[in-house]
Amino acid sequence: ETGVTQSPTHLIKTRGQQVTLRCSSQSGHNTVSWYQQALGQGPQFIFQYYREEENGRGNFPPRFSGLQFPNYSSELNVNALELDDSALYLCASSLGLAVTGELFFGEGSRLTVL
Amino acid sequence: EDQVTQSPEALRLQEGESSSLNCSYTVSGLRGLFWYRQDPGKGPEFLFTLYSAGEEKEKERLKATLTKKESFLHITAPKPEDSATYLCAVQNIQGAQKLVFGQGTRLTINP
Repeated sequence: ETGVTQSPTHLIKTRGQQVTLRCSSQSGHNTVSWYQQALGQGPQFIFQYYREEENGRGNFPPRFSGLQFPNYSSELNVNALELDDSALYLCASSLGLAVTGELFFGEGSRLTVL
Repeated sequence: EDQVTQSPEALRLQEGESSSLNCSYTVSGLRGLFWYRQDPGKGPEFLFTLYSAGEEKEKERLKATLTKKESFLHITAPKPEDSATYLCAVQNIQGAQKLVFGQGTRLTINP
């Protein structure tokens, strides 16, 4: 059974640039959620994708967008990067629309915005 | 708005010294309360789900309990490998696709 994998693991961008983060969900999981975790804080929900459709969004501006592909992998795109976007971005997969809360997280992509 | 507050922010114990972590929550309709463990540089790892007041779950040296306003994670005779950040999260009946996390408790067990 393959776990959740994310890439890249670390990246550095400058303010105003755009970034794409990628996630491969755990085998058999069709739901992917993205969370942002600032240093010393708990994860914050960005959005969730189920069968290629956005299924719920947190309090993040439209410059945060995503995609889910037919193989259930996913991308998170952030445009016009700001300094406050520096954080660990976590992808989590789960099975089915009725999320049990039992999310399987990847190790995250650490984004630094200078 | 759903809220989760964890205390203390950090806790340092000696090996074998039992203690409890607190998670206070406010949610309009609780679907579930969850505990996760997060090691440095890693993603959170699922530990427990609790659904109703009075429920308890155990795993090795950890036991989670739930009341209508808070949850406790009890750690009995901890070992250094229990050192991690412990996160509590709630899931609302409405908007069940997201978890609302607390800020975590950073636990250090000294040998």
